[in-house]
Amino acid sequence: NAGVMQNPRHLVRRRGQEARLRCSPMKGHSHVYWYRQLPEEGLKFMVYLQKENIIDESGMPKERFSAEFPKEGPSILRIQQVVRGDSAAYFCASSPQARQGHAFFGQGTRLTVV
Amino acid sequence: DAKTTQPPSMDCAEGRAANLPCNHSTISGNEYVYWYRQIHSQGPQYIIHGLKNNETNEMASLIITEDRKSSTLILPHATLRDTAVYYCIVKGDDYKLSFGAGTTVTVRA
Repeated sequence: NAGVMQNPRHLVRRRGQEARLRCSPMKGHSHVYWYRQLPEEGLKFMVYLQKENIIDESGMPKERFSAEFPKEGPSILRIQQVVRGDSAAYFCASSPQARQGHAFFGQGTRLTVV
Repeated sequence: DAKTTQPPSMDCAEGRAANLPCNHSTISGNEYVYWYRQIHSQGPQYIIHGLKNNETNEMASLIITEDRKSSTLILPHATLRDTAVYYCIVKGDDYKLSFGAGTTVTVRA
């Protein structure tokens, strides 16, 4: 049973470009969470999605950031017009249930904006 | 807003038990204590969780005090690969994990 798969592992973008981060949850998991870890800081919740629905995006910046989890395919975190401050590690987690049990994390995507 | 307090760092000798304390004095009756760790540059890894009884799995043991205001994660035989940041998280009927600063554990040969 493969774990949570994130790709790419490393992504370099120039300021103003778009970044697309992909996350395939564990088999059987329909709940996906995105977290961001800025350099020298802790992990912060960004968004929680179920299939085709955004449940909670309270931790996601209002501008330039969006997330989706389509019926088919991976969850996508999209950052438009990236700025240097977006440089961070972005982690995806999945769980079979939302409120019980624990979540499994992927290895993250390290975004560097140059 | 972290509900837990952990020491910022601790050292441990390889092969010895590592005892990681965590204070959670405002924990509610329905909230669990979770432990995750993050090895450098990797995603957080679930270790163990408990409500009020002590728990043990292949990775660690979790000892929760009777009043549930504090707990201790025990790594029975620390290895160099256990060097990581360990996070103690209180989680109730919520899907979010609130990560604090954690404890940076360094296992020394």
